[in-house]
Amino acid sequence: KAGVTQTPRYLIKTRGQQVTLSCSPISGHRSVSWYQQTPGQGLQFLFEYFSETQRNKGNFPGRFSGRQFSNSRSEMNVSTLELGDSALYLCASSLGGTNTEAFFGQGTRLTVV
Amino acid sequence: QQQVKQSPQSLIVQKGGISIINCAYENTAFDYFPWYQQFPGKGPALLIAIRPDVSEKKEGRFTISFNKSAKQFSLHIMDSQPGDSATYFCAASNNNNNDMRFGAGTRLTVKP
Repeated sequence: KAGVTQTPRYLIKTRGQQVTLSCSPISGHRSVSWYQQTPGQGLQFLFEYFSETQRNKGNFPGRFSGRQFSNSRSEMNVSTLELGDSALYLCASSLGGTNTEAFFGQGTRLTVV
Repeated sequence: QQQVKQSPQSLIVQKGGISIINCAYENTAFDYFPWYQQFPGKGPALLIAIRPDVSEKKEGRFTISFNKSAKQFSLHIMDSQPGDSATYFCAASNNNNNDMRFGAGTRLTVKP
């Protein structure tokens, strides 16, 4: 069974640009959550999608947005990039519903210069 | 925002010893408590998880102890091995809410 796949693995962007990251969940999983991981702040919850609807949102500015498609694949978009957005962005998938067992992808390392 | 406090920040253990990592949470609505293991360059991998209806769960060398009244839970790694050297994260979430809150992480080093 394939795991959670995130693309691309590495990305370098310039301040002010925007970026789109992709996450393909484990087959059958309907929930996709996104996290930002930095040395200073640790793992912080961005948002969670279930059946194409955003169910929960963390405490991040509106520059961070996401969506989920009918096949459960999800994308995360960050607009007007700032240096502080440099981080490892992780997505996790789970069956959803009452089963919250989440499995992470390897992440996308975003560097903003 | 931190609702899960994890300690210690780093831990050095000799091979064969017991590694103990502790976490405390604030939100009594949390009802799912997983532990994740992360190696450099990899995403966190689910290690073991517990729900508050039991006080202990064991899987191989890994044991979670859970104290609901104290709002604390801990991970015990028995017979620690150099291959266990990684960063460990505790987390907590609400069954009806996939907003998982993570501890700050513990960097474990097991010396041969």
